[in-house]
Amino acid sequence: EDKVVQSPLSLVVHEGDTVTLNCSYEVTNFRSLLWYKQEKKAPTFLFMLTSSGIEKKSGRLSSILDKKELSSILNITATQTGDSAIYLCAANSPNAGNMLTFGGGTRLMVKP
Amino acid sequence: GAVVSQHPSRVICKSGTSVKIECRSLDFQATTMFWYRQFPKQSLMLMATSNEGSKATYEQGVEKDKFLINHASLTLSTLTVTSAHPEDSSFYICSATDGGAPYSNQPQHFGDGTRLSIL
Repeated sequence: EDKVVQSPLSLVVHEGDTVTLNCSYEVTNFRSLLWYKQEKKAPTFLFMLTSSGIEKKSGRLSSILDKKELSSILNITATQTGDSAIYLCAANSPNAGNMLTFGGGTRLMVKP
Repeated sequence: GAVVSQHPSRVICKSGTSVKIECRSLDFQATTMFWYRQFPKQSLMLMATSNEGSKATYEQGVEKDKFLINHASLTLSTLTVTSAHPEDSSFYICSATDGGAPYSNQPQHFGDGTRLSIL
C-alpha cells in the first residue's frame, strides 16, 4: 500500500526562523513529489519535484527530492506569520489517472 | 491558468437531504478529476477518481451509493451526497489535472472546497 509520511506533525517558530519540513514516501510507480500549502481553504500548489538533487525555489521557499532516500524536504527561510499553514506533501503515481497519495501534513505556526 | 472552481463553498442542511457539489475546470479540460474528504486537523483522504464518460473509481470503504459521482463533460464533475447524515459533515475538495491526458505529469489543482454541515 502506498504511503507518505511527514514530519514533524506540528511546528511553532518565531518570525525570521528557518524551518525544514520532511516528507518520505513509499509508492509503487512513483513519478513525482508535490508540495502544497493549505490555509483555510483548499491546498495551493507550491512545487512539483521529479528529479533527484535539483532544487526548486520560489522566494523564501525551496524544495528538493532525494529518490535514493525516498524523501523530500521543504525549506522556508526568514519565516513570516503569513507562512502559518498546513504543508502537505503528496506522491504522484500514473496509476489510476494521476493519483496523489497525501501525507498527514505538517502544521506550521509562525509567531510574531 | 489551471483554475478549478468548486460550488457551493458551504452547505448547511437537514439530515436526509441530498447535496450536490460541483467541480469545474475553468480554463482547461480534465479527463480525470479527484474527490477528497478532509476531517478537522487531518490530511486529505481520496474518496474517488472521477473519469469523464465512464464510471468513477471509488477507494476502499467509500460507499458508491452514498457518494454519487458524475463526470459528464471534460470540465465538470459532480459529487452528490445522498440522504446525508451528521456523520457526512466534512470538508469536501475536488482537484483536477491540467494537460488533458489522465497520465500527464502535471500537478493537481484544487477547488476551494465545500464545507458540508448536516444538522
